[in-house]
Amino acid sequence: AQSVAQPEDQVNVAEGNPLTVKCTYSVSGNPYLFWYVQYPNRGLQFLLKYITGDNLVKGSYGFEAEFNKSQTSFHLKKPSALVSDSALYFCAVRDMRRGAGKSTFGDGTTLTVKP
Amino acid sequence: GAVVSQHPSWVICKSGTSVKIECRSLDFQATTMFWYRQFPKQSLMLMATSNEGSKATYEQGVEKDKFLINHASLTLSTLTVTSAHPEDSSFYICSARANEIRTEAFFGQGTRLTVV
Repeated sequence: AQSVAQPEDQVNVAEGNPLTVKCTYSVSGNPYLFWYVQYPNRGLQFLLKYITGDNLVKGSYGFEAEFNKSQTSFHLKKPSALVSDSALYFCAVRDMRRGAGKSTFGDGTTLTVKP
Repeated sequence: GAVVSQHPSWVICKSGTSVKIECRSLDFQATTMFWYRQFPKQSLMLMATSNEGSKATYEQGVEKDKFLINHASLTLSTLTVTSAHPEDSSFYICSARANEIRTEAFFGQGTRLTVV
């Protein structure tokens, strides 16, 4: 079985400050990991993914995430938050051994960046 | 990134009628498409996985006779909500993935269904 946990329902940061949105995962094999962002009444937009290689992954809009195998985590980070980053963020995992199978999504974390 | 178009973006229908939602991959061939339902401020609930040319695989608790999924081509999947009821009102989202296990899925814009 595969699962994802996003322990924080809500994250609040001030504009210009660094932000972190947490994600931990559980898979039997090696993971494919993804971050998506959702704005109100819209579908999900892909931000970044970890497949293999460098543990620090850089993605869209200045976001990055660090894969930590020992802690089974894939936290999303940004050095300087913008008000426009306020949205709902989803972490997802897929077990490599499942091939083209389905991904499992976390419950989402609402990020609010205040001016 | 790849583009997935979902249509319509919103629809209002009367109880007892059926509604069809289309999901198209515009610039890639999607051998696998997923249909999700999302309630307000909640995560995505996977309804079914469809592979081109074969029957959809429904998640436990999802009525396949009520939510008809067709994936007739590599660029189009449809979800038909049959005999809609007010409790079917929700935000429905599709996603599509190419035939490569390493790739991420790309999502449509979502469809807001309201049954009155």
